[in-house]
Amino acid sequence: QSVLTQPPSVSAAPGQKVTISCSGSSSNIGKNHVSWYRQFPGTAPKLLIYEDNKRPSGIPDRFSGSRSGTSATLGITGLQTGDEADYYCGAWHSSLTAGGRYVFGTGTKVTVL
Amino acid sequence: QVQLQESGPGLVKPSETLSLTCSVSGGSVSSGSYHWSWIRQPPGKGLEWIGYIYNSATTNYNPSLKSRVTISVDTSKNQLSLKMMSVIAADTAVYYCARDRGGWTRDSYYHYMDVWGKGTTVTVSS
Repeated sequence: QSVLTQPPSVSAAPGQKVTISCSGSSSNIGKNHVSWYRQFPGTAPKLLIYEDNKRPSGIPDRFSGSRSGTSATLGITGLQTGDEADYYCGAWHSSLTAGGRYVFGTGTKVTVL
Repeated sequence: QVQLQESGPGLVKPSETLSLTCSVSGGSVSSGSYHWSWIRQPPGKGLEWIGYIYNSATTNYNPSLKSRVTISVDTSKNQLSLKMMSVIAADTAVYYCARDRGGWTRDSYYHYMDVWGKGTTVTVSS
């Protein structure tokens, strides 16, 4: 059971913008950085955004991230058919009684209309 | 660049132990700069972090799986391994190994998986 909540799906026409929200708590997003992953069907996830808003080499600037309070957002501009995939947020969930754990969001399917 | 490749039996019987290996090329599992994680994904569902190891010996597990899971490294083979005891049908999933980066920026901790293996499918069934 994930502690990070995402909308099940978002959609937009080609060229438009979509945003995906990731809602957490003071134990995860509220204090730790967020990362985002993209997963095409039948393939492994790939890192899109790390430390809230940084892009790994090779990820276009159409992808952006932000974090505020206990929520984070992934934005995709200039939507392309090749952006159809599942997107997951992730963050460290801190714990005072245990070593903490990494948690993923529930996942969001992006559909290009 | 670093590449990861998971391997192991595709079918495991209920109550038995699942054993998987992740072969690392282009980098060292004993590097103190990285954590090495196992993540799984049941069919049609989301991602679940199983645990990680770093510095070849320090481990941290998902509390929900901690009693059944062991992650270790074989530095001579440059491999990461996962053992999960007493498996049940709900352990059926694609299992991924990944390289993690973790650290601090001012007062926030960052942790993310920057390199992933392609995954291996494990089915628990008699």
